[in-house]
Amino acid sequence: QVQLAQSGAEVKTPGASVKVSCKASGYTFTNYGVGWVRQAPGQGFEWMGWINPKNANKSYAKKFQGRVTMTTDRSTSRAYMELRSLRSDDSAVYYCAREARGGDYDYWGQGSLVTVSS
Amino acid sequence: DIQMTQSPSSLSASVGDRVTITCRASEDISNYLAWFQQKPGEAPKSLIYAASSLQSGVPSKFSGSGSGTDFTLTISGLQPEDFATYYCQQYKTYPLTFGQGTRLEI
Repeated sequence: QVQLAQSGAEVKTPGASVKVSCKASGYTFTNYGVGWVRQAPGQGFEWMGWINPKNANKSYAKKFQGRVTMTTDRSTSRAYMELRSLRSDDSAVYYCAREARGGDYDYWGQGSLVTVSS
Repeated sequence: DIQMTQSPSSLSASVGDRVTITCRASEDISNYLAWFQQKPGEAPKSLIYAASSLQSGVPSKFSGSGSGTDFTLTISGLQPEDFATYYCQQYKTYPLTFGQGTRLEI
């Protein structure tokens, strides 16, 4: 069965970086894109970007360009999302999701809580 | 960016009811529309893609319709496990954008 297992919760201070991992299993990793979406406490969803594990093509939301890097490791079927220069309003649950059909996210990871606090 | 607006923002219903949630896009997105369910403390669960196609394993009590700018999600025969928050999402263009959610309460 398709599963996306994400790394655990992190607490960071303002200005630091965080790197969230997402391990895919149950399907051929390179056949599907991976998207990253975040959800601040009690808020809706915010799309951060997408990466194609087959060729590393990617697209980032303008809001995060310059601060985010998405990568994949095909040898371990893992996707990574690194966010730098963290601010308090970056505190959120970060999700990875499998992209089935050009932006249709059919499977989601369990989420990784990132808390930014001094 | 394409704005997605859901209505209502919250909805009260009873077990066995049939409910409809509406999602409107700020521009034509054809049928590039997905619906998700989210329960407190859980990850989203995909229900529908391409406006009206059920994801694998999703019961037929969930149905979607619409094209262009106006879309609906209908849930029939509400059961206790259906009480959750529902979101629409467009994937016609980047950045992908989401509705603000509709909280379905008993």
